[in-house]
Amino acid sequence: EPEVTQTPSHQVTQMGQEVILRCVPISNHLYFYWYRQILGQKVEFLVSFYNNEISEKSEIFDDQFSVERPDGSNFTLKIRSTKLEDSAMYFCASREGGDSNQPQHFGDGTRLSIL
Amino acid sequence: DAKTTQPPSMDCAEGRAANLPCNHSTISGNEYVYWYRQIHSQGPQYIIHGLKNNETNEMASLIITEDRKSSTLILPHATLRDTAVYYCIVRTNRDDKIIFGKGTRLHILP
Repeated sequence: EPEVTQTPSHQVTQMGQEVILRCVPISNHLYFYWYRQILGQKVEFLVSFYNNEISEKSEIFDDQFSVERPDGSNFTLKIRSTKLEDSAMYFCASREGGDSNQPQHFGDGTRLSIL
Repeated sequence: DAKTTQPPSMDCAEGRAANLPCNHSTISGNEYVYWYRQIHSQGPQYIIHGLKNNETNEMASLIITEDRKSSTLILPHATLRDTAVYYCIVRTNRDDKIIFGKGTRLHILP
């Protein structure tokens, strides 16, 4: 069964450094998402992306964050200058086009640890 | 905030049916009910969704009451691998993001 893949599984970065989290969505999917989950807390929506532009973003997704689909397969989340509070699991998700009631499918996440 | 209410935790014996309730009393006519689960250290996994009819797939069954104010996810023969946090979510096709609540932590007992 096709799945969303994320790399790396664990990223350790010094505070203030830039980090790029990578995702390969399911191949025929057109809508892409990033969520995060701080340890012990709920999964939170960050951003949705369709047709090479952001559809919606949350208050968490400030100017330090950006997303990009650099080619036909990858979808990336960049955090420009990381802060301690950015430590979390980051999940990528994707869904098919057409019927917007189609479910989102998630990857297994990247654990980001900011030192 | 999540539009659903779920018990924080439940236990179920291995091999028995696990019935997870969800209350969504303020659901509107165009909102679907989705169920996801999150096994420890993994991403949320889609299980099933429905509008008003009962639905069944290879993982589970979804029973939605006639007034749509509540639903039940049924795992017919629970195994230890079904131990996870189960999320009940309602959303419309105009609201693409998923808003997760705290879910129900399901423990399958050997």
